[in-house]
Amino acid sequence: TQLLEQSPQFLSIQEGENLTVYCNSSSVFSSLQWYRQEPGEGPVLLVTVVTGGEVKKLKRLTFQFGDARKDSSLHITAAQPGDTGLYLCAGDSSSGDKLTFGTGTRLAVRP
Amino acid sequence: KAGVTQTPRYLIKTRGQQVTLSCSPISGHRSVSWYQQTPGQGLQFLFEYFSETQRNKGNFPGRFSGRQFSNSRSEMNVSTLELGDSALYLCASSLEPGPGEKLFFGSGTQLSVL
Repeated sequence: TQLLEQSPQFLSIQEGENLTVYCNSSSVFSSLQWYRQEPGEGPVLLVTVVTGGEVKKLKRLTFQFGDARKDSSLHITAAQPGDTGLYLCAGDSSSGDKLTFGTGTRLAVRP
Repeated sequence: KAGVTQTPRYLIKTRGQQVTLSCSPISGHRSVSWYQQTPGQGLQFLFEYFSETQRNKGNFPGRFSGRQFSNSRSEMNVSTLELGDSALYLCASSLEPGPGEKLFFGSGTQLSVL
């Protein structure tokens, strides 16, 4: 069974601060996705990383896939209240049989 | 383009009853996956359907079942409901199954079992 552990589990920060969320596994993934979920809604895909060592930027969000494709990080610069939500990483196995979701990081950004 | 539509939005049932949840994927999407989300266990994969065939199944008891119709719409059924089945049930669609496919989620059905 492939497990994806995210840390921290909860994060409450002030507007304007920077933060990093980690997603770790002992398994290798062919690709890794990051989602954000707001209360009462389903997760929305933010980015997909495929290549080991890959870095993708989406405005103030920077995503990195580990060289060994076992871990990933999400860095948010100058967080805003609109960034509040549940952040989920999800990994695709090489067989592609299913997407495994991480344990989630709940972020609250205070104005 | 309409998103993934799940009905009903909220559902309250009692133990022992059964429930059917519905999911209409984005037009043109042929793959539908179902997930159960709870505060304690997070998002857990239930099953995936493609071209009316179950392609994959997660580690859930046989009380959980599903099907997909020729128009790609999908339903999932839970029989003999237990208190622990209370959860947000999410449906996601994609063009095709397989690694790296972009999933589009519906808003979910919030099931409460009393």
